Amino acid sequence: GNSVTQMEGPVTLSEEAFLTINCTYTATGYPSLFWYVQYPGEGLQLLLKATKADDKGSNKGFEATYRKETTSFHLEKGSVQVSDSAVYFCALSDRSTGGGADGLTFGKGTHLIIQP
Amino acid sequence: EPEVTQTPSHQVTQMGQEVILRCVPISNHLYFYWYRQILGQKVEFLVSFYNNEISEKSEIFDDQFSVERPDGSNFTLKIRSTKLEDSAMYFCASGGEGETQYFGPGTRLLVL
Repeated sequence: GNSVTQMEGPVTLSEEAFLTINCTYTATGYPSLFWYVQYPGEGLQLLLKATKADDKGSNKGFEATYRKETTSFHLEKGSVQVSDSAVYFCALSDRSTGGGADGLTFGKGTHLIIQP
Repeated sequence: EPEVTQTPSHQVTQMGQEVILRCVPISNHLYFYWYRQILGQKVEFLVSFYNNEISEKSEIFDDQFSVERPDGSNFTLKIRSTKLEDSAMYFCASGGEGETQYFGPGTRLLVL
């Protein structure tokens, strides 16, 4: 079956530090990969996605590259801000677009804390 | 910007009671989903719904659970006889054909 593994948190960084949150996956097919973010008291928001190998998703300064050879989709940001403090979830879908009827498979979430 | 809404935000119930969690998906979306997250654990897929019927369900979605789209706007999850282990955050999501799933803010259910 499908599974997603991401680094345990909390991850605590100082403002303007470089961020990497690791995510690896196991899938039977050719999944699409997603990063969702959850700010305190809010729902899950799509941060970025990639639908095929070597695609790079990017948004709000965050990037992640779909690496089929290492089955990874690590999230990176060059300079984090206090406002980036949130829980980040890596997820996959078997369908290439993430739409349709298939449920997403999520990682456990990584709590990121940015200190001023 | 359109968003998925959920009510209530918090629900406390006694074990064995029935609860109904409500969701209003984004209006032009076709696919609807329920997920749950037990405290400290992963977000888990429960069920997807399309064209007024269940499309896919996980092992978690057993006979105590049911979903319904009673009108053109609401999407509900009913838990018939709640158990302590049903305590979790329940997320509703919706998506159009070929689009990403958009999540609501969740309902925190506590079963005593």
